[in-house]
Amino acid sequence: NAGVMQNPRHLVRRRGQEARLRCSPMKGHSHVYWYRQLPEEGLKFMVYLQKENIIDESGMPKERFSAEFPKEGPSILRIQQVVRGDSAAYFCASSGGGETEAFFGQGTRLTVV
Amino acid sequence: AQSVTQLGSHVSVSEGALVLLRCNYSSSVPPYLFWYVQYPNQGLQLLLKYTSAATLVKGINGFEAEFKKSETSFHLTKPSAHMSDAAEYFCAVSPPNSGYSTLTFGKGTMLLVSP
Repeated sequence: NAGVMQNPRHLVRRRGQEARLRCSPMKGHSHVYWYRQLPEEGLKFMVYLQKENIIDESGMPKERFSAEFPKEGPSILRIQQVVRGDSAAYFCASSGGGETEAFFGQGTRLTVV
Repeated sequence: AQSVTQLGSHVSVSEGALVLLRCNYSSSVPPYLFWYVQYPNQGLQLLLKYTSAATLVKGINGFEAEFKKSETSFHLTKPSAHMSDAAEYFCAVSPPNSGYSTLTFGKGTMLLVSP
């Protein structure tokens, strides 16, 4: 019974490149949440998605960031034209919705050089 | 808007000593409250949660937390620390009845346990 799977675990990108982070929710979960953890900070909510729908993107930067959760396949967090300030750990969580527990993946650590 | 304040970025205890990690929240209504633990290079694991039922909540690994509305606090305790408890601990809040969506996290407290 695999948990929330995120890949890659570590990602290095040069400034200006694109970063694509993947999250496969737990089996049976259709709700996905993305969080960002900057150094010395707590996790910050970015976006909440259900299959094919963005429910809440109030934490997403207005530019360069996008997220999707297609009908088939993992959820993708996409960062275009990365800058050094995007270096962080990006965590995905999934749940069955409502008040069912959300489980976190191990995160993707993005380093922009 | 809700917020969480964790007092002390680092807490050091000796093995066998009491663990007390502090968390205060700001909310116009009693929120849902959570404690998570993060081991190095791992994801977050839920320790316990308060969702307006009993004010004293027991979690995994011997941890518990008490919701005190008058103090707007949700401090995490464990009677006797183990070396394996060394990790970073995050307090989090969410609007009531919203489940786990849009959690607001504190900055975390690193727990150091010495022999």
